[in-house]
Amino acid sequence: GENVEQHPSTLSVQEGDSAVIKCTYSDSASNYFPWYKQELGKRPQLIIDIRSNVGEKKDQRIAVTLNKTAKHFSLHITETQPEDSAVYFCAAQSGGSYIPTFGRGTSLIVHP
Amino acid sequence: GAVVSQHPSRVICKSGTSVKIECRSLDFQATTMFWYRQFPKQSLMLMATSNEGSKATYEQGVEKDKFLINHASLTLSTLTVTSAHPEDSSFYICSAVPGATDYEQYFGPGTRLTVT
Repeated sequence: GENVEQHPSTLSVQEGDSAVIKCTYSDSASNYFPWYKQELGKRPQLIIDIRSNVGEKKDQRIAVTLNKTAKHFSLHITETQPEDSAVYFCAAQSGGSYIPTFGRGTSLIVHP
Repeated sequence: GAVVSQHPSRVICKSGTSVKIECRSLDFQATTMFWYRQFPKQSLMLMATSNEGSKATYEQGVEKDKFLINHASLTLSTLTVTSAHPEDSSFYICSAVPGATDYEQYFGPGTRLTVT
C-alpha cells in the first residue's frame, strides 16, 4: 500500500518568513495530492491540491510543487501570518481510490 | 462547496455504555463515507469505509463488532461505539465524496468522545 512520509513534524517561523513542508510517497500510481490545514479541535480543510499532470500550483501565498520522478511534493507558504499556525497534513491518493493516505502532520507555529 | 455535518460535536459517556455519532451530507448524495479516528497530536487514521446499502469495510485492527457502522441512506452514515472504554476517547471525523470524478474528501466537523 501507499506510504507517505512528512517532514518536519514541527516548524517554527517568524511572521513574514516562508515555510516549507515536504512529503514523499511510495506508490507510483498515486496521482492526487491534497494538503489539509487543521486547527485545534476542528476539521481538516483542503487548502490546495495538485494532480500528477501538473508540476506546480499556486494560490496566493501558498504553492505546491510535485516531482513525480522523485515521488515527492512540497507545500510552500510565503509571508506567513500568525493565523497560518495549525497542523498541516499532506496526502497521496490514487485515481482508483477515494481514500487518501495521510502524512503524520506538521505543526506550524508562526510567531508574531 | 459540499457540506458535511456531524452530531454530536462533543459527548461524554460512562464506561460500558454505547454512543452513536451521525454524519450527514447536507447538499449532496454520498454513496461512500469514511470514518476516521484522530488521537491528540496524531494523524487521521481511517477506521472504515461506509457504503450505502451494504456492509462497511473495516481497516485492519478495527473491531467491527465494537464500531458499528450503518449507512442507511445516501446522506446519512452512523458510527456506534459499543461498550465504550476510556481508551476509545478520541476525535472521530467522518468524510464523504460527492461524486465518481471528484477526488476531494469533505470532512465533517468531528466529534470529541470522552469516556469516563
